[in-house]
Amino acid sequence: AQKVTQAQTEISVVEKEDVTLDCVYETRDTTYYLFWYKQPPSGELVFLIRRNSFDEQNEISGRYSWNFQKSTSSFNFTITASQVVDSAVYFCALSYSGGYQKVTFGTGTKLQVIP
Amino acid sequence: DTEVTQTPKHLVMGMTNKKSLKCEQHMGHRAMYWYKQKAKKPPELMFVYSYEKLSINESVPSRFSPECPNSSLLNLHLHALQPEDSALYLCASSQDWGDGYTFGSGTRLTVV
Repeated sequence: AQKVTQAQTEISVVEKEDVTLDCVYETRDTTYYLFWYKQPPSGELVFLIRRNSFDEQNEISGRYSWNFQKSTSSFNFTITASQVVDSAVYFCALSYSGGYQKVTFGTGTKLQVIP
Repeated sequence: DTEVTQTPKHLVMGMTNKKSLKCEQHMGHRAMYWYKQKAKKPPELMFVYSYEKLSINESVPSRFSPECPNSSLLNLHLHALQPEDSALYLCASSQDWGDGYTFGSGTRLTVV
C-alpha cells in the first residue's frame, strides 16, 4: 500500500523564522517520485519540486530546501526566513510505477506565517 | 503558455441541472486529470486521460461524466448532483507519470 503521512496539521511561525514541514511515505516500489505542492488560499495547487527514488541529493531553491532520506522514508521541506506569502497548505505526494499516473497526497500541513 | 485554464471559476447548480466544467491546456501534455477537493482535505483523483483516452476512473458516480474532445481540452459533465458533491474541482495536466502536475485554479461548485 502507498501512503503519505504529514503529521503536522497546522504550524504557526513568526515571519523570518525557519520552519520544516515533515513528510513520511510508505511504498513497496523501488521506483517512485515524491513531490511537494503549495496551495495558497486562492485554491490553485502549485508544483514545487519532484524527487525520484534514485536521487537522494538534497536540493535548495532560494529560501526553500528539501531533505530526502530513503533510510527513514522521509522527504522534508524547509523554508528559511519565512514570509507572509509562504502562508498556505503544503501537500507532500507520492507517485509510483505500479500505480500509473496515480498520485497519493498527504493530508497537508497548513502553514501560517505571522507578520 | 504554461497554464491550465478552468472555467467557470464558480458554479451554483440545482440538483436537477446539467452543467459542464471546462479545462484547457496548451503545453502539449499527454495526460490530463480531474480531482475533487473538499474543504481541508487533500485532492482526490477522479479521472485520468492519457492520449485523449480514459485510462483511470476512480469509481466515480455516473452523474459525473468526463470527456476529452482533443489533446488540449477536458470537460466534466455534471448531471443530477447531490449537495455532498459541492467541492473544488481541479483539473491538472502532466507530460508523464513522474512529472509534476500543472493545476488549474479550479471550479468551486455548490449544489443546492
